[in-house]
Amino acid sequence: AQSVTQLDSQVPVFEEAPVELRCNYSSSVSVYLFWYVQYPNQGLQLLLKYLSGSTLVESINGFEAEFNKSQTSFHLRKPSVHISDTAEYFCAVSGSDTGFQKLVFGTGTRLLVSP
Amino acid sequence: DGGITQSPKYLFRKEGQNVTLSCEQNLNHDAMYWYRQDPGQGLRLIYYSQIVNDFQKGDIAEGYSVSREKKESFPLTVTSAQKNPTAFYLCATHPTGVTEAFFGQGTRLTVV
Repeated sequence: AQSVTQLDSQVPVFEEAPVELRCNYSSSVSVYLFWYVQYPNQGLQLLLKYLSGSTLVESINGFEAEFNKSQTSFHLRKPSVHISDTAEYFCAVSGSDTGFQKLVFGTGTRLLVSP
Repeated sequence: DGGITQSPKYLFRKEGQNVTLSCEQNLNHDAMYWYRQDPGQGLRLIYYSQIVNDFQKGDIAEGYSVSREKKESFPLTVTSAQKNPTAFYLCATHPTGVTEAFFGQGTRLTVV
């Protein structure tokens, strides 16, 4: 079975500052890793994913995440945040033991960007 | 318009009443899921179904029931046995051979 830990429940940051949202996972099988974003009272939208290959993955809106197998981490970063990035971010993992069909989520990190 | 439709967006019920949340999709995705979201707890899997007429319990199935009579529909019933039903409920689909899940807009259930 897999599990995901997001240690930071809330991360306050000023506009145009860099940010890192931390995610660690545990699994005994091969995994896929995901970051989803949720705006208030809405569903989740996929931000980016790691399946295989290059350990650095990027989204279209400037976020990136790096898969680190030795540290079992998949931290999300952005060099300069905008007010519109204020949202809740969820890290998720799926494993080969479920055919990559079952997602396990972390508890989420609320990113608060202020002017 | 293609997508996943959850209805209603807001739902109020009295304690002790059963209530059914709707999830419909026209994406032709095989697998469908129900998650419950509570503040600070992330998303927890209630039930999932990978094919019609078959479904499995997730991590917190007690007090909930589902059916999958059609590929397009996966309704969730919150029964009176669910001790703390007030939450945000999310339906998701997962097409075969695709790595990520797709989510509906959610239903916020408040039991008073």
